[in-house]
Amino acid sequence: QVQLVESGGGLVKPGGSLRLSCAASGFTFSDYYMSWIRQAPGKGLEWVSCIGYSRSYTNYADSVKGRFTISRDNAKNSLYLQMNSLKAEDTAVYYCARDLQAAAVGTVDYWGQGILVTVSS
Amino acid sequence: DIQLTQSPSFLSASVGDRVTITCRASQDISSYLVWYQQKPGKAPKLLIYTASTLQSGVPSRFRGSGSGTEFTLTISSLQPEDFATYYCQQVNSFPLTFGQGTKVAFK
Repeated sequence: QVQLVESGGGLVKPGGSLRLSCAASGFTFSDYYMSWIRQAPGKGLEWVSCIGYSRSYTNYADSVKGRFTISRDNAKNSLYLQMNSLKAEDTAVYYCARDLQAAAVGTVDYWGQGILVTVSS
Repeated sequence: DIQLTQSPSFLSASVGDRVTITCRASQDISSYLVWYQQKPGKAPKLLIYTASTLQSGVPSRFRGSGSGTEFTLTISSLQPEDFATYYCQQVNSFPLTFGQGTKVAFK
């Protein structure tokens, strides 16, 4: 069965960096677009970034552009999100997400359990 | 950026009720509209994509409709497991955006 397991979250000071990882299993990872979506505590969903089958296609929300970098390693079935210059408003649960094939990019059919990133001094 | 406005933001209903949630887009998004359900402490679940296509395994009491700028999610007969928050998302253009959510609570 499809599994997406995030790791790397935690508490970081403003201006700091963190790298999230997502280990994928149960499907052919290289055949799918992947995304990161976040949810601040008690708030709604916010799309963060997506990546195509390889590293050649990426897209970012304006709120993270220039600070976050999405990447993937198809040999390791892993998705990453490098987060730099973190701000308090980046505090959220971050979800690793798989796109539904044959649907528009960003249509998510599987989600990880989510991992909390807290940015605070 | 395309703004999505859901109405209502909160509704209370009873088991068996017919429930309708509306999602309005700030510009034409054709049929590039997705609906998710989220329960407390859980990841969202895909219900409907391309405005009206039911995701595999989702009960047929969920129905999506609309195109352009106005969309609806209808639950024909609310079941106990349907009490949750529902989000629409536009996947027409970047940056992808979500509606603010509609919480469906027990009356």
